[in-house]
Amino acid sequence: DGGITQSPKYLFRKEGQNVTLSCEQNLNHDAMYWYRQDPGQGLRLIYYSQIVNDFQKGDIAEGYSVSREKKESFPLTVTSAQKNPTAFYLCASSHPWTEPNYGYTFGSGTRLTVV
Amino acid sequence: KNEVEQSPQNLTAQEGEFITINCSYSVGISALHWLQQHPGGGIVSLFMLSSGKKKHGRLIATINIQEKHSSLHITASHPRDSAVYICAVRRPSGGGADGLTFGKGTHLIIQP
Repeated sequence: DGGITQSPKYLFRKEGQNVTLSCEQNLNHDAMYWYRQDPGQGLRLIYYSQIVNDFQKGDIAEGYSVSREKKESFPLTVTSAQKNPTAFYLCASSHPWTEPNYGYTFGSGTRLTVV
Repeated sequence: KNEVEQSPQNLTAQEGEFITINCSYSVGISALHWLQQHPGGGIVSLFMLSSGKKKHGRLIATINIQEKHSSLHITASHPRDSAVYICAVRRPSGGGADGLTFGKGTHLIIQP
């Protein structure tokens, strides 16, 4: 079945360390997104990519980095520069808006805790 | 003021009740999504609307573009409907960040 796989589901990181969250999709979607969810707040866009080898900053990109070397993969690195990294991270993908079967598919998320 | 406002924030109801969750937005949109998030955290897309009304099983979603308002209804609610329901709007493409703007969600609990 097609879908998005995020791993790991739970991740613990020591302060000062970088950590990379994985997101893989087999839906042949061109666009991929990373969102952050905090208690009592709506999801916020960190980075997005509409095509391989290209990505754009979202609303809260500071302290994060991404790469898009393959269509299927959009890993997110939480760097030590991110001041408050403990959160729930969701990856999503979609066809371009111009496609008739446009729609978003979400992963199951990764809960990151800094200890 | 948030661009997407949902009400109520929390809702507890008895099994079988008719449920309504509201979403108001203040920006121009190309589409509105209703999403469901279960306690495990994963999100499922329920509906995508640009006009009118859609129905899937016991779920009904409506949108009024002129009033910038959408509602999600659940008929004959069941405890398995307990989840967080999130409204999200897609801004028109061209300029700025792509993707969705999300409401804070409505936490629904259906008691047996």
